[in-house]
Amino acid sequence: GQNIDQPTEMTATEGAIVQINCTYQTSGFNGLFWYQQHAGEAPTFLSYNVLDGLEEKGRFSSFLSRSKGYSYLLLKELQMKDSASYLCAVRDSNYQLIWGAGTKLIIKP
Amino acid sequence: IAGITQAPTSQILAAGRRMTLRCTQDMRHNAMYWYRQDLGLGLRLIHYSNTAGTTGKGEVPDGYSVSRANTDDFPLTLASAVPSQTSVYFCASSEGTGPYNEQFFGPGTRLTVL
Repeated sequence: GQNIDQPTEMTATEGAIVQINCTYQTSGFNGLFWYQQHAGEAPTFLSYNVLDGLEEKGRFSSFLSRSKGYSYLLLKELQMKDSASYLCAVRDSNYQLIWGAGTKLIIKP
Repeated sequence: IAGITQAPTSQILAAGRRMTLRCTQDMRHNAMYWYRQDLGLGLRLIHYSNTAGTTGKGEVPDGYSVSRANTDDFPLTLASAVPSQTSVYFCASSEGTGPYNEQFFGPGTRLTVL
């Protein structure tokens, strides 16, 4: 079966750095996405990785290791507005997105 | 530009009733999707359409039907609602179906079936 695993919840302090991990087992791999979802709102796109390595976009970076079936999202200089759920999704061999359950990130002052 | 709109925003429905959730996008995207999101579970694909005139079944299609008569609209119909269909429903679209194509999401419809 296909499976995406993420921690259910994480807590971090404003101004700090947090790393949210995602491991996957899917039938085929055509890229990995990270989305942000604030409570009661729609998911919004953060990043896409298809090759191994780190993609940096401002305060957010995403890393991929295809051989390990592993990705992480790194958030730097945390702000209160970063309190949200972070969703990991893998595009499988049928080009459909398989979604993890999401990691709820709580930022404390 | 509105992006993707969904209607209604929320709905309480009696079991056994028929219900259509509406979704419209103005980005001229070829592909559209319907997901449901339940607490503790990832987004699950119900149905999708890669282009106008075609539809396909996702992971959890039972009890739902869709149509794609034109590029902009992708309604989702529950023929006879059951309580297990209580969920938040998101419509999404993407320009194409290639690897990089990110999906854009509508604001969601919160549906409660009693």
